[in-house]
Amino acid sequence: GAVVSQHPSRVICKSGTSVKIECRSLDFQATTMFWYRQFPKKSLMLMATSNEGSKATYEQGVEKDKFLINHASLTLSTLTVTSAHPEDSSFYICSARSGRDVTGELFFGEGSRLTVL
Amino acid sequence: QKEVEQNSGPLSVPEGAIASLNCTYSDRGSQSFFWYRQYSGKSPELIMSIYSNGDKEDGRFTAQLNKASQYVSLLIRDSQPSDSATYLCAVNRRQTGANNLFFGTGTRLTVIP
Repeated sequence: GAVVSQHPSRVICKSGTSVKIECRSLDFQATTMFWYRQFPKKSLMLMATSNEGSKATYEQGVEKDKFLINHASLTLSTLTVTSAHPEDSSFYICSARSGRDVTGELFFGEGSRLTVL
Repeated sequence: QKEVEQNSGPLSVPEGAIASLNCTYSDRGSQSFFWYRQYSGKSPELIMSIYSNGDKEDGRFTAQLNKASQYVSLLIRDSQPSDSATYLCAVNRRQTGANNLFFGTGTRLTVIP
C-alpha cells in the first residue's frame, strides 16, 4: 500500500521556538495532504488541507499564522508550529490520498508528538 | 448532531469472541466509509473500506454498510488480544475540491485473554 512518512516522530522544544514537521508520500504523488492533531483519548481533528502549489485551507478555529503549511512539491508538505506554547503540545498526524478521487482512502504518517516545555 | 458518531466504549470481549463496532453518520450524501485501527500513541491504520450497501469481508474483518439507515459497522471474528485498540470510523462526503473525511471519536476495544 501507499506509504506516508512523517518526521520527526518526537520533538521537545522550549516555549517560543518554532518547530517544523515534514510529511512525505514515498511511493506516490499527493496533490493534497491533510494535517490533523489529536489530544489524548480524543479523535483526530482536521487542522488544514494542504494543496500542492497553492495556499492551504484551514479549518475553522485553526490559526493560519500559528500553523504554517507549505506544500512545495507533490511529495512533501510541511507544518511549522510557530512560537510554540505548552498548549500546542499534541500528536500531529499527516495523511495523503494517492489519487485525485476525493472518495479514496487516506494513508497516514506515523505521527509527530510535540512537547513544548 | 455530530457528523459521525460512535460509542466510545470501552468494549470488552473475551478472546475468540466476535467484536461488533457500530457507527452512524448524519449526511446521506456520504460516499465512502472507512474503519481505521489506532494503537495507543500510533497513527491510524486502515482496516477496511466500503463503498456500497451490504457486507465486505477481509479475513477476520467484515464491514457492513446500510446507507438507508446511515450506519456502518465492523465485525471482528475470533478476536485476539492484538486486536485491542481504538477503532475509528471515518466517512467521506463527496464535495468538489475538498476533503471531507469525518472521523468519529473512536471505540476502544479490549480483548481479554
